[in-house]
Amino acid sequence: GQSLEQPSEVTAVEGAIVQINCTYQTSGFYGLSWYQQHDGGAPTFLSYNALDGLEETGRFSSFLSRSDSYGYLLLQELQMKDSASYFCAVKGRGGATNKLIFGTGTLLAVQP
Amino acid sequence: ETGVTQSPTHLIKTRGQQVTLRCSSQSGHNTVSWYQQALGQGPQFIFQYYREEENGRGNFPPRFSGLQFPNYSSELNVNALELDDSALYLCASSSAGGGANVLTFGAGSRLTVL
Repeated sequence: GQSLEQPSEVTAVEGAIVQINCTYQTSGFYGLSWYQQHDGGAPTFLSYNALDGLEETGRFSSFLSRSDSYGYLLLQELQMKDSASYFCAVKGRGGATNKLIFGTGTLLAVQP
Repeated sequence: ETGVTQSPTHLIKTRGQQVTLRCSSQSGHNTVSWYQQALGQGPQFIFQYYREEENGRGNFPPRFSGLQFPNYSSELNVNALELDDSALYLCASSSAGGGANVLTFGAGSRLTVL
């Protein structure tokens, strides 16, 4: 089967850097994505890694190591508005669908 | 460009009833997928529609069904509602017929089954 593990909660202070880890088990790999979801709202795409290495988009960066089945999301210069749930996701078996397998999410609380 | 819009935003049903949820995809997107998100969990894939046909399905029973219309909008129908169907139902659209790496989600329809 396919599964993803993430820490359930992370707390950090404004201006700090936080890393949210994700380990996955999947048969066939089509890339690791990260989504942000504010309480009860729409999940919003943050980043996608298909190959090993670091992808940077503004304050957010995402890393992937396929040999370790591991990735992380790095958030820099934390702001209060970054308080949200963060989900890693892998594409489901069979690349012809938009089936994403999501982790259970990491609730990030940014404190002043 | 408009995003993904879903309706209704909230609804309450009782066990055994039927519900229809609606989704308008983002302009230019031709593929729609539906997800169920229980409280405190990640979204779970229900199915996907492309060219008005279901072309991918998750581990959900047949009482979960859907439609896609020529304008790419979509409906999710759930029959014989059960208490465990209480969840946030998310619609996501993309433009690549299933090969997309980015999904655009709507804010969801929150269903409560009593």
